[in-house]
Amino acid sequence: EVQLVESGGGLVQPGGSLRLSCAASGFPFIHYWMYWVRQAPGKGLVWVAHINNDGTTTNYADSVQGRFTFSMDNAKNTVFLQMNSLSADDTAVYYCARGGHNHALDIWGQGTMVTVSS
Amino acid sequence: EVVLTQSPDTLSLSPGARANLSCRASQPIDTTPLAWLQQKSGQAPRLLIYGASRRANGIPDRFSGSGSGTDFILTISRLEPEDFAVYYCQYHSTSPVFGGGTKVEIK
Repeated sequence: EVQLVESGGGLVQPGGSLRLSCAASGFPFIHYWMYWVRQAPGKGLVWVAHINNDGTTTNYADSVQGRFTFSMDNAKNTVFLQMNSLSADDTAVYYCARGGHNHALDIWGQGTMVTVSS
Repeated sequence: EVVLTQSPDTLSLSPGARANLSCRASQPIDTTPLAWLQQKSGQAPRLLIYGASRRANGIPDRFSGSGSGTDFILTISRLEPEDFAVYYCQYHSTSPVFGGGTKVEIK
C-alpha cells in the first residue's frame, strides 16, 4: 500500500525547534518530488517547502526560508523537515505529500500537529 | 505569482443536487498543473482531479473538471452524503499554490 506517515509534531515554546519526519511505503522517493504543506487551525492549505526527486534541490516559502530545512534519506524512504526559530504563526497541522502527475499532490500523510506556545 | 480565487466560499446544496465550484487564476495558466483536492473534516486532503480534467485513481465519475485559461470548474454531478467537504484547487508553477477553498455543506 502506498502511504505516508508523519511524526514529530508537538508543543514547543516560541524560538524552539522541532524535526518532523515523513516515512513512505509502497513507492521509492527517488521517482517523486516531495512536499510539506501546512494548515493553520480553521484555515486553508499553504505550501511550505518541496524537494526534488534526487534531493539536490529544495524550495521554501518566504515565510520559512532560512528557518526550515527539508532533507531526505533515500535509504530509509523518509523525508524530514527541521524547523527552527518557531513562532506562533507556525502553529498548524503539517502534511507531507507526494508530487504525482504534473505535480498534483496525489498522496498525503495523515498530518502532524505543531503547536508553538509558551 | 499566480493567485487562485475560489468561489463561492460556501455552497449550500441538497443531496442529489449538482455542484459547480469555480477556481479563477490571476493570469492565464497551463491546464496540466491544475488539480482539485477534497478535504473532509479532520482528514488529510485527497486528490480528485489532475491535469484540470483527469480523475485520480478511484475517484467516482460524478466528479469532473473542466476549464482553461483563467477559469476552471469542478463539477459534482449528483451530490452524495460523503461529498460534503471543502474543495481546493491547486496549481504548480515553480511551487504549489492553493485556492482558498469552497465548503460544500448540506442545505
